[in-house]
Amino acid sequence: QSALTQPASVSGSPGQSVTISCTGTGSDIGGYNYVSWYQQYSGKAPKLMIYDVSSRPSGVSNRFSGSKSGNTASLTISGLQAEDEADYYCGSYTRGSTLVVFGGGTKLTVL
Amino acid sequence: EVQLVESGGGLVKPGGSLRLSCTASGFTFSNAWLTWVRQAPGKGLEWVGRIKSKTSRGTTDYAAPVKGRFTISRDDSTNTVSLQMNSLNTEDTALYYCTMGFCDSSRCRWDDAFDKWGQGTMVTVSS
Repeated sequence: QSALTQPASVSGSPGQSVTISCTGTGSDIGGYNYVSWYQQYSGKAPKLMIYDVSSRPSGVSNRFSGSKSGNTASLTISGLQAEDEADYYCGSYTRGSTLVVFGGGTKLTVL
Repeated sequence: EVQLVESGGGLVKPGGSLRLSCTASGFTFSNAWLTWVRQAPGKGLEWVGRIKSKTSRGTTDYAAPVKGRFTISRDDSTNTVSLQMNSLNTEDTALYYCTMGFCDSSRCRWDDAFDKWGQGTMVTVSS
């Protein structure tokens, strides 16, 4: 069982927006603004999409945005495209010897 | 171009040991903190552990499931970080990634935003 809770799957049609939630506790998401999101295609390494809750690395489309409220972070993908179909993982810095916790992943299907 | 290349994976029996390596290029390795993340087949990402730079005392931290069994070390002369895994069990079966955060004008995100990843090396623990 992962430390952060994500829905197993979400779906949307091209052009629509989808939001993926990531729920933690006050020791991780709620305690730090160090939430990150990763996109992973099957058989490939993860790619950083969002860091510091809502910042995008250079080269990541502005269709990807992040936010946080209390112990829950969210990734929103607007203007869905077929190429967005992938697994998405949230991550957060946390207190304790395990410095980073991840969510179990959400499979995004573009209908 | 930054590159992280893992090696050393393979099949090992329960109770056995294995040593993974990650060879880096394209950046000043000695300044970097390196992290190992694993992914069991069909499962999510799991943080394994991290080693700081020598200037930060080379401090290591480990996830609870591997603490006392896994050891991370680094050799700045060869730009290599290693993961020594002992007392392996079937739950350690996973693809092991070497990964790294980054610094910008604001701060260094060694422990919370991983923007460089290797291709991974597979470890299978089975009798």
